[in-house]
Amino acid sequence: DAGVIQSPRHEVTEMGQEVTLRCKPISGHNSLFWYRQTMMRGLELLIYFNNNVPIDDSGMPEDRFSAKMPNASFSTLKIQPSEPRDSAVYFCASSLVGRGNSPLHFGNGTRLTVT
Amino acid sequence: GESVGLHLPTLSVQEGDNSIINCAYSNSASDYFIWYKQESGKGPQFIIDIRSNMDKRQGQRVTVLLNKTVKHLSLQIAATQPGDSAVYFCAENVRLYSGGGADGLTFGKGTHLIIQP
Repeated sequence: DAGVIQSPRHEVTEMGQEVTLRCKPISGHNSLFWYRQTMMRGLELLIYFNNNVPIDDSGMPEDRFSAKMPNASFSTLKIQPSEPRDSAVYFCASSLVGRGNSPLHFGNGTRLTVT
Repeated sequence: GESVGLHLPTLSVQEGDNSIINCAYSNSASDYFIWYKQESGKGPQFIIDIRSNMDKRQGQRVTVLLNKTVKHLSLQIAATQPGDSAVYFCAENVRLYSGGGADGLTFGKGTHLIIQP
């Protein structure tokens, strides 16, 4: 089991540039989540998908943020234009949800630095 | 808004001792709780979970206790080892919609567990 795979592991960009973060969930999982982690705010849920459909994006901070899941094995989180306050670690997680709860399995994150 | 929080930001214990990490939650509707461990440079790693119809669950060297009366969750780690040093998060299930669909988690701020030799 390869686990949740995120790329890149580190991203350094200048303010105003477009940033695209990528995620490959665990095969067979039907739900995918994007989280952001900062020292000040901890882990925040940005958006989640179920069966490739965005269910709740109320955590997305601004219109500069967008996420897509074109198929069951791939998702992207895009920030355009990026700002220094977007600097954080962005985590993708997936789970298999049926009748009950299931734990989220996290990738190792993308550390984004916007200068 | 309701949130999950932790009592102690840092906990230092001697190697071999038992440790207890506490968590208070405020959403009385939460029905599923999870403890995660996060090591530096890695994503949160699932440790153990518990449903609200239980008050105790045991794993390998770990035990989770749930007290719904006072909305309190704890993680007990027995015979701590150097590899247990990490930040520990409790998370509660916020069922975002009914019908068995995707469930999001709300995380606490985390407790840093330090194992001293």
